[in-house]
Amino acid sequence: KQEVTQIPAALSVPEGENLVLNCSFTDSAIYNLQWFRQDPGKGLTSLLLIQSSQREQTSGRLNASLDKSSGRSTLYIAASQPGDSATYLCAVVTQGGSEKLVFGKGTKLTVNP
Amino acid sequence: EAGVAQSPRYKIIEKRQSVAFWCNPISGHATLYWYQQILGQGPKLLIQFQNNGVVDDSQLPKDRFSAERLKGVDSTLKIQPAKLEDSAVYLCASSLGLMARADTQYFGPGTRLTVL
Repeated sequence: KQEVTQIPAALSVPEGENLVLNCSFTDSAIYNLQWFRQDPGKGLTSLLLIQSSQREQTSGRLNASLDKSSGRSTLYIAASQPGDSATYLCAVVTQGGSEKLVFGKGTKLTVNP
Repeated sequence: EAGVAQSPRYKIIEKRQSVAFWCNPISGHATLYWYQQILGQGPKLLIQFQNNGVVDDSQLPKDRFSAERLKGVDSTLKIQPAKLEDSAVYLCASSLGLMARADTQYFGPGTRLTVL
């Protein structure tokens, strides 16, 4: 059974800092890994999708890397801003069986002005 | 492009009562998902539809939860009777294609259910 773990559970940083969020998964046989953002009272917004054959994806100030063999991914946020404050969730689609997203519990990020 | 719509946004009920949630996916999206997100947890898939058919309902508590997707478009999720542990946010998502391995899922704002 696939399990996804995110560390840390919460993170508080001053504005302008670069930061890294971590995600690990127990079964390396995945199709893809996705990073989502969740704002309070709102649904999830997809940030980046990395296929299993890829090593990284970039979008603006966000960069996500994937090391499938070790079961790890990182989300790097450059020059953080208060508007980046949200919960960031990592999810994987595992090979075999039904293709469903399995989520971690998320990292709650607070960027202080 | 309009996003995934859900209603109601909030619902408070007593235990043993019934409740229904509605979802309208993005137009043209073949696959629809219902997730349950308990406070402090990541979303958990309850049921996945491809067009009209159910692909995965392995984590749906079928003794109390039911769902249908009408004509491959809108969907309703029902709980009857509700228990205290059903308090959660219920998220609906849709994707264009038929394969989660390749498609981005678009999420609605969710329905926050409180069972007293």
